[in-house]
Amino acid sequence: GAVVSQHPSWVICKSGTSVKIECRSLDFQATTMFWYRQFPKQSLMLMATSNEGSKATYEQGVEKDKFLINHASLTLSTLTVTSAHPEDSSFYICSATGLAGGIDEQFFGPGTRLTVL
Amino acid sequence: AQRVTQPEKLLSVFKGAPVELKCNYSYSGSPELFWYVQYSRQRLQLLLRHISRESIKGFTADLNKGETSFHLKKPFAQEEDSAMYYCALKEAGSYQLTFGKGTKLSVIP
Repeated sequence: GAVVSQHPSWVICKSGTSVKIECRSLDFQATTMFWYRQFPKQSLMLMATSNEGSKATYEQGVEKDKFLINHASLTLSTLTVTSAHPEDSSFYICSATGLAGGIDEQFFGPGTRLTVL
Repeated sequence: AQRVTQPEKLLSVFKGAPVELKCNYSYSGSPELFWYVQYSRQRLQLLLRHISRESIKGFTADLNKGETSFHLKKPFAQEEDSAMYYCALKEAGSYQLTFGKGTKLSVIP
């Protein structure tokens, strides 16, 4: 099936720094990618929908100036956590929409563990 | 707004026993329902979707519009079924998924 990768798989940074997370669809083109946040033992919360070549659509309560999303190509979306603080520590997961057996399906990345000290 | 409810955080069953993971949803339109599974230290992956009406790894799920439910069932649980299971809903015409909080299934040998 289609594969989505994320880089890095984990990152530790100091408070106040910015961190960029990449999400790539390896063997398919994804016009739409999604960014989720998952707290320990909780569900995935959709942060934003990213469409290639256009501005991301953020969910209510997600600060677009803090979580910058760039979807520059059909295979790459990036999430930049700006001026990170300890409360931003979380597991960030991306997904990309592609075709599987003729049906649209969301394929998920392995996630990125962000720890802000 | 749409909502997906999984009432059980944790479900423990013995190997060979039947399993039912509950999922209820609220949505005014015609939804598409999914079950996703996340095995230990692995990424989230699609288990099944209601429009396919198929059985995957022995699991089935039937959409009951009257009860607004999409419960996941398996007649005989296996140890390898131990994982987190998430029910999700997709609105018609959208790619967005709304997830339930998940149920951790633990199959006891």
